Amino acid sequence: GAVVSQHPSWVICKSGTSVKIECRSLDFQATTMFWYRQFPKQSLMLMATSNEGSKATYEQGVEKDKFLINHASLTLSTLTVTSAHPEDSSFYICSARPIAGGGYTFGSGTRLTVV
Amino acid sequence: GENVEQHPSTLSVQEGDSAVIKCTYSDSASNYFPWYKQELGKRPQLIIDIRSNVGEKKDQRIAVTLNKTAKHFSLHITETQPEDSAVYFCAASRGSSNTGKLIFGQGTTLQVKP
Repeated sequence: GAVVSQHPSWVICKSGTSVKIECRSLDFQATTMFWYRQFPKQSLMLMATSNEGSKATYEQGVEKDKFLINHASLTLSTLTVTSAHPEDSSFYICSARPIAGGGYTFGSGTRLTVV
Repeated sequence: GENVEQHPSTLSVQEGDSAVIKCTYSDSASNYFPWYKQELGKRPQLIIDIRSNVGEKKDQRIAVTLNKTAKHFSLHITETQPEDSAVYFCAASRGSSNTGKLIFGQGTTLQVKP
């Protein structure tokens, strides 16, 4: 089946620094990738839709200058949390759906802790 | 915008009993409705899904029903087992391509007591 690899699985960073999270589709082309954030005991909230070769589409309330998304190839999308603060600490997870159809495939998630 | 409401937020049942979780969606163009099971710190795992051209789908102890007119769909788990204890999410998306974004419900914490 379709596999999405997400790295790192966890990261601890100092307040004010930036963190990059990568999601790579291993066996299919993902022209679109979705980025979610999940706080403890809450649902997955869609942050943005990443489109290969074009600008990402951000959901209402999500700061595009803080959460930089790059989707430079058909198999790789990255999310950079810039100038991270403790309130950015969360579980970030990506998802993609093969062009050929089928269900959504999720990355394994990244636990970000900002200290 | 698109919205998916899920109830109840918590559900406790005795082993062997049935569990039902309900969701409603706001986007009438939604046509794909998956259900996920998520364990702490893990990615969501698809347990069953249904498309808008079908009213019901069953896979062993799990079934999903869809009422497009009322814009709601439900997850039914029969003969529950302790290992069914987890957080369950419903979701909805539009479009048959890979570009339709998936919107999640708030989640239901299911506890199955031995």
